[in-house]
Amino acid sequence: KQEVTQIPAALSVPEGENLVLNCSFTDSAIYNLQWFRQDPGKGLTSLLLIQSSQREQTSGRLNASLDKSSGRSTLYIAASQPGDSATYLCAVQMDSSYKLIFGSGTRLLVRP
Amino acid sequence: GAVVSQHPSRVICKSGTSVKIECRSLDFQATTMFWYRQFPKQSLMLMATSNEGSKATYEQGVEKDKFLINHASLTLSTLTVTSAHPEDSSFYICSARDMREGPYIQYFGAGTRLSVL
Repeated sequence: KQEVTQIPAALSVPEGENLVLNCSFTDSAIYNLQWFRQDPGKGLTSLLLIQSSQREQTSGRLNASLDKSSGRSTLYIAASQPGDSATYLCAVQMDSSYKLIFGSGTRLLVRP
Repeated sequence: GAVVSQHPSRVICKSGTSVKIECRSLDFQATTMFWYRQFPKQSLMLMATSNEGSKATYEQGVEKDKFLINHASLTLSTLTVTSAHPEDSSFYICSARDMREGPYIQYFGAGTRLSVL
């Protein structure tokens, strides 16, 4: 059974700092991995999707890497801003059923 | 990107009543929609996969008679929590797959916070 773990559970950093969020999964036979952002009491916004054959994806200040063999992914946020404060969730898709298995998230606070 | 509308955003009900939550894809057709629930500070857990025109597929441990799912059209799926109890209080989120895009893209609604008194 696939298990997705995110570390740390919470993170507080001053504005401008670069930071890394971690995601690990137990079964490396994934289709893809996605990073989402969730604001309090809101739905999810997809940030980056990495296919199983890819090593990384970039969007603006965000860079996500994937090491499928070791069951790890990282989300790198450069020059963090207060508007980046949210919960970041990673999720893996195991097969063509499109079902996503989520980690418990990292709550990020960027202090002005 | 595509928009998924979820309604209501918040509902408070008495124990024993039923609550219906709607999930609509506003500008695309979705043959497949998903329903998740999220407890405070926990992750999203998939409850069921809703397929247009057919019965929903429920995840292990989810009571299909308690959580009724109807996907009668390509733009609407509903989740009805029947005879709700306080332990059903949670944040319910739906997502929909846009058939026009790649197979892995899902768009999420803003969620419904259910509080059962």
